[in-house]
Amino acid sequence: KQEVTQIPAALSVPEGENLVLNCSFTDSAIYNLQWFRQDPGKGLTSLLLIQSSQREQTSGRLNASLDKSSGRSTLYIAASQPGDSATYLCAVRANAGKSTFGDGTTLTVKP
Amino acid sequence: EPEVTQTPSHQVTQMGQEVILRCVPISNHLYFYWYRQILGQKVEFLVSFYNNEISEKSEIFDDQFSVERPDGSNFTLKIRSTKLEDSAMYFCASSEWMGGETQYFGPGTRLLVL
Repeated sequence: KQEVTQIPAALSVPEGENLVLNCSFTDSAIYNLQWFRQDPGKGLTSLLLIQSSQREQTSGRLNASLDKSSGRSTLYIAASQPGDSATYLCAVRANAGKSTFGDGTTLTVKP
Repeated sequence: EPEVTQTPSHQVTQMGQEVILRCVPISNHLYFYWYRQILGQKVEFLVSFYNNEISEKSEIFDDQFSVERPDGSNFTLKIRSTKLEDSAMYFCASSEWMGGETQYFGPGTRLLVL
């Protein structure tokens, strides 16, 4: 059974700082890994998708890496802004269909 | 940009009542999913649906739950007899194909069972 863990559970940084969020998963036989952003009481916004054959993906100030063999992914946020404050979720698709989610990392960026 | 939509955004119901949650997936997508998130907990997979059939379901998706694509655009989740523990945010998602593609999530329906 796939288990997804995200560390840290919460993170508070001053504006402008670069930061890394971590995601680990137990079953390395995955199709892809997707990072989402969730604002309080809202839906899930897809940030980046990394296919199992890829090592990283970039979108603007975001960079996600994937090390499938070790069961790890990181989400790097450069030059953080207060608008980046949200919960960041990692989701792994280990078969054709469902995604397994982590608990998320709640990020607060202080002005 | 195309998006997944869900109605209603909020629903309050009495225990034992039936509820139907509605979703309109992105128009060219073929695979549909329901997830739920109990307050303060992880997002959990409920069911995936393709070609008018359930592809996969979790242990949560028991006989009280059913899904349907009643026409070419809607995808529904029915809970036959709601329980207090069904209170959660329910998310619909769709993808173009199953496996390597991005799953696009709707804004969710917040269900409160009293």
